[in-house]
Amino acid sequence: SAVISQKPSRDICQRGTSLTIQCQVDSQVTMMFWYRQQPGQSLTLIATANQGSEATYESGFVIDKFPISRPNLTFSTLTVSNMSPEDSSIYLCSVGPAQGFYGYTFGSGTRLTVV
Amino acid sequence: AQTVTQSQPEMSVQEAETVTLSCTYDTSENNYYLFWYKQPPSRQMILVIRQEAYKQQNATENRFSVNFQKAAKSFSLKISDSQLGDTAMYFCAFTAPLVFGKGTRLSVIA
Repeated sequence: SAVISQKPSRDICQRGTSLTIQCQVDSQVTMMFWYRQQPGQSLTLIATANQGSEATYESGFVIDKFPISRPNLTFSTLTVSNMSPEDSSIYLCSVGPAQGFYGYTFGSGTRLTVV
Repeated sequence: AQTVTQSQPEMSVQEAETVTLSCTYDTSENNYYLFWYKQPPSRQMILVIRQEAYKQQNATENRFSVNFQKAAKSFSLKISDSQLGDTAMYFCAFTAPLVFGKGTRLSVIA
């Protein structure tokens, strides 16, 4: 299965600023996903990032707040814009299975605290 | 809408004992995949076991096995010979993309 490097692992940010989270995959993958995990909660899908096209956002998430880039098949970024304390969460990227079926692989997550 | 329900927010088990975590889901799809993921305090999501919906045989991975009841839309996880390292949040999920339940916090007690 793919190996994902996610950066940064954690950050403390001032409200009103933006943070960009990066995910690098060690192999080419068609679909990448971004999730948010609020404190003590489950994972909620933010968007699906496809190379060469606009990301597809889930209900409740908008591009202006969470712009996503997917410049190639091994890399994606998620930006959390104009942050407020409510954005304090763990953000995780994930990639879908390649040929065959091995399950979805996750990055190690970014713990974001907004003060 | 596709949903996943984990009715046990917290569970505990004695070391070496067996525990079963429950999961039900709702979907109109006929072909899908089901997963159990483990999230220890390190927050890394670790795939525990997967099941293809078209397979009647229950999946098994070492000490982990599932009881998949497609008609009942039930997908429980059994952990045998529980170990301290099994202490984590366990999430049930299905494709696609992944929809997660709220999780069950499992504590293994020495």
